[in-house]
Amino acid sequence: GENVGLHLPTLSVQEGDNSIINCAYSNSASDYFIWYKQESGKGPQFIIDIRSNMDKRQGQRVTVLLNKTVKHLSLQIAATQPGDSAVYFCAETRRPLSGYSTLTFGKGTMLLVSP
Amino acid sequence: EPEVTQTPSHQVTQMGQEVILRCVPISNHLYFYWYRQILGQKVEFLVSFYNNEISEKSEIFDDQFSVERPDGSNFTLKIRSTKLEDSAMYFCARWGGGPGANVLTFGAGSRLTVL
Repeated sequence: GENVGLHLPTLSVQEGDNSIINCAYSNSASDYFIWYKQESGKGPQFIIDIRSNMDKRQGQRVTVLLNKTVKHLSLQIAATQPGDSAVYFCAETRRPLSGYSTLTFGKGTMLLVSP
Repeated sequence: EPEVTQTPSHQVTQMGQEVILRCVPISNHLYFYWYRQILGQKVEFLVSFYNNEISEKSEIFDDQFSVERPDGSNFTLKIRSTKLEDSAMYFCARWGGGPGANVLTFGAGSRLTVL
């Protein structure tokens, strides 16, 4: 079946470096993508989202890039801080967002930030 | 802070026992989700529940699982006869509660350990 997956299970960076977390998806009908951050013992927390009609979206220290040609999504974190250490998941919906869509999650990447 | 409260935060049970996990929304919403996360793995969709009926369910959500909203407020996930492989974090989620309406907001989760 269709799946959303990640290339790197663990990413280790130094504080202050920029981090890039990647995600691949296989369903060309995917319309909406979200990045979530999950700290130990907590539920996933929304970071940033992007619709399929966009290539790039920026937030505070985070940027999401969408390449529909190769079905690739990335999350860039600028000036990574120790508090950014967590597992990051990409998620997608397979139909136009109505507010009631089911999200499908990728496998997750652990980001480890060293001081 | 999540807008859904989940109880218990952690439950340990014997294999074959029934377990009920609860989700209490702060605001009145009709549409809810249950997701599961086995330790170290991705977040998996279980079931969506709208207006007191199951809207969509995954292959994981077999006859051992049920959901209901018994008193119009609490939203419950019941596992009738737990198996070892049911050990996981269970998250309740709803749309909204974040930066915009198009955000799936998760509770802190209930950790289920089946011995």
